[in-house]
Amino acid sequence: GDSVTQMEGPVTLSEEAFLTINCTYTATGYPSLFWYVQYPGEGLQLLLKATKADDKGSNKGFEATYRKETTSFHLEKGSVQVSDSAVYFCALSAAGYNFNKFYFGSGTKLNVKP
Amino acid sequence: NAGVTQTPKFQVLKTGQSMTLQCAQDMNHEYMSWYRQDPGMGLRLIHYSVGAGITDQGEVPNGYNVSRSTTEDFPLRLLSAAPSQTSVYFCASRQGGNSPLHFGNGTRLTVT
Repeated sequence: GDSVTQMEGPVTLSEEAFLTINCTYTATGYPSLFWYVQYPGEGLQLLLKATKADDKGSNKGFEATYRKETTSFHLEKGSVQVSDSAVYFCALSAAGYNFNKFYFGSGTKLNVKP
Repeated sequence: NAGVTQTPKFQVLKTGQSMTLQCAQDMNHEYMSWYRQDPGMGLRLIHYSVGAGITDQGEVPNGYNVSRSTTEDFPLRLLSAAPSQTSVYFCASRQGGNSPLHFGNGTRLTVT
């Protein structure tokens, strides 16, 4: 069945460091892919999305490219800030008639130190 | 635009008590769902609905009941609370197709 695997955390970086959080998926067809961010005490917020192969989603300096050949959707940011400290979730929405099926990774906690 | 609104934010129950977690959305989304979030377990789908009058079970439905009488509301009922139901509960909705899920801010439930 469909699934999402993302790197375990926590990830600890210094301010202005480069961030990569790995995400790979297993799915039939062409799912839609998403990154969500969760700040303490809040719900999940959509960070970015990509709906077809080679699409690049971007928002607030974060980017991720939908790579069909490697079934990956890695999250990157060139220079992190303390305010980026949060938990990040990779997710997919299944393709075809299963489009209402959402699958989430287990989340990666990011700590950014000043 | 309020989005997805959940009430209450916090709740403490004794074992065996029942209660209803409320969820309302004002985006006219057909799809609504309930998740629970536990440490180390990620998000797990409890129940979902693809429209008024239509509900179905997710991954962990036992001990929970739902109904969908209107497009806007999707309450989650705990029939007889157990300590294993201590968790953070999130309601989410989406328009359909490849649109993203929109989440509420969650209800933190403790069962003693």
